[in-house]
Amino acid sequence: EAQVTQNPRYLITVTGKKLTVTCSQNMNHEYMSWYRQDPGLGLRQIYYSMNVEVTDKGDVPEGYKVSRKEKRNFPLILESPSPNQTSLYFCASAWESYNEQFFGPGTRLTVL
Amino acid sequence: GESVGLHLPTLSVQEGDNSIINCAYSNSASDYFIWYKQESGKGPQFIIDIRSNMDKRQGQRVTVLLNKTVKHLSLQIAATQPGDSAVYFCAERSNTGKLIFGQGTTLQVKP
Repeated sequence: EAQVTQNPRYLITVTGKKLTVTCSQNMNHEYMSWYRQDPGLGLRQIYYSMNVEVTDKGDVPEGYKVSRKEKRNFPLILESPSPNQTSLYFCASAWESYNEQFFGPGTRLTVL
Repeated sequence: GESVGLHLPTLSVQEGDNSIINCAYSNSASDYFIWYKQESGKGPQFIIDIRSNMDKRQGQRVTVLLNKTVKHLSLQIAATQPGDSAVYFCAERSNTGKLIFGQGTTLQVKP
């Protein structure tokens, strides 16, 4: 089944403890992206990747890192999480940026 | 700066009526626009898209209209059904590949 998977789905952590949210797609898509969704603010793009080894900042990249060492995976790294990064995170992939994006199920992160 | 906005946070319609959800965008260089539907507890799902060289595109029960003169995008849903109840987001692709979403409109369908 063609899908985007994210892990973990739920995470509660404490300020400053490094964490990684994984994202994987099995559709051989070139474009991948991370978003955060907060009430009243819609979806905001954190980082995106047009292809392997190519990453670019979205609207809200501060406090996040990403890597794209292989086509299928696009992990989101929070080196030192803070409470303002408490949010619902979505990973998405597409053939390329002019195509529909397929979204993962979301990761709900709480930083205490 | 770039922004994509939806005119109304909530739209309530009667089952069977047509729905129109509006969106304004600010970046005249954006070349691709998309509508997504998000149901409670799920990730966004693609509905329909349109490139900037078109002004109308139709799908099954949905139509997207693009007016580049006033930088306006709309989604029309024909014969709205209870299953259409969700939050609808418009998004624009900037010329760098960045995708910018609007804040969303909640569509409520009354039986």
